[in-house]
Amino acid sequence: QVQVVQSGAEVKKPGASVKVSCRSSGYTFVDYHIHWVRQAPGEGLEWMGHIYPKNGDTDYAQKFQGRVTMTRDTSITTVYMELSSLRSDDTAVYYCLRETWYYRDWGQGTLVTVSS
Amino acid sequence: DIVMTQSPDSLAVSLGERATINCKSSQNVLHSSTNENHLAWYQQKSGQPPKLLIYHASTRESGVPDRFSGSGSGTDFTLTISTLQTEDVAVYYCQQYYNIPRTFGQGTKLEIK
Repeated sequence: QVQVVQSGAEVKKPGASVKVSCRSSGYTFVDYHIHWVRQAPGEGLEWMGHIYPKNGDTDYAQKFQGRVTMTRDTSITTVYMELSSLRSDDTAVYYCLRETWYYRDWGQGTLVTVSS
Repeated sequence: DIVMTQSPDSLAVSLGERATINCKSSQNVLHSSTNENHLAWYQQKSGQPPKLLIYHASTRESGVPDRFSGSGSGTDFTLTISTLQTEDVAVYYCQQYYNIPRTFGQGTKLEIK
C-alpha cells in the first residue's frame, strides 16, 4: 500500500531555513506529483507548491516564490521542501501529499516551529 | 486563483440528524477533458491529517461510510452527512483540483448539538 512518511518536528529561529523530507513507497515514485500543503495552528489548509519527480519540474504558490525550494532524490524516493527566511508566521504543520488529481495519500505532517 | 468559499463556518447538528455543508467556487471546475467536476471533500479530525471523503464532487472514496454524499456541479457543491454520528465531529474542507494553484475552502467545523 502507499505510504508517505515525513521527517520529524523542527524548531528554528527567525531568519533560518528548514528542510523537510517526504519519503514515498508503494507506487511508482516518478509517475505522481508530490504537493506540499501547510496548516498554521487553528487555521485552514494552504497550498505551497508541487514537484514532478520524473523530471524535477516545480510550481510554487506566488506567496512562497523565492523562499521555497522543492527537490527530489529518485534513488531513495524522497522529496524535500526547503523554506528559507523563516518568520514566526511560518509556524505550521507541513504536509506532503501524493497527487492523483485529488489528495488520497497524505504524510503524517511535520510541525515546524519558528521562535526566537 | 479560484476562490473556494464554504458555508457555514461552523455547524451544530443533533446525533442522527442531517448535516449539510456548502462550497462555492469562484470559477467553474467542471473539466471538459474528463467531464468531471474537479472538486474534493476532506475530513480533518483533531491532530490528524485530512482524509479524502469525496472526489469528482460525488464519488465516495473507498471505505467512506455511505452516510457521506457529495453533489453539485460547476460552481456550487454540497457535502451531506445523512445521519450524524459522534465520530463525524471534525472540520470539513472542499478543494478544487481544476487548476494550479490548488485552493481549499476555509473549512467548516461540525459539532454535536
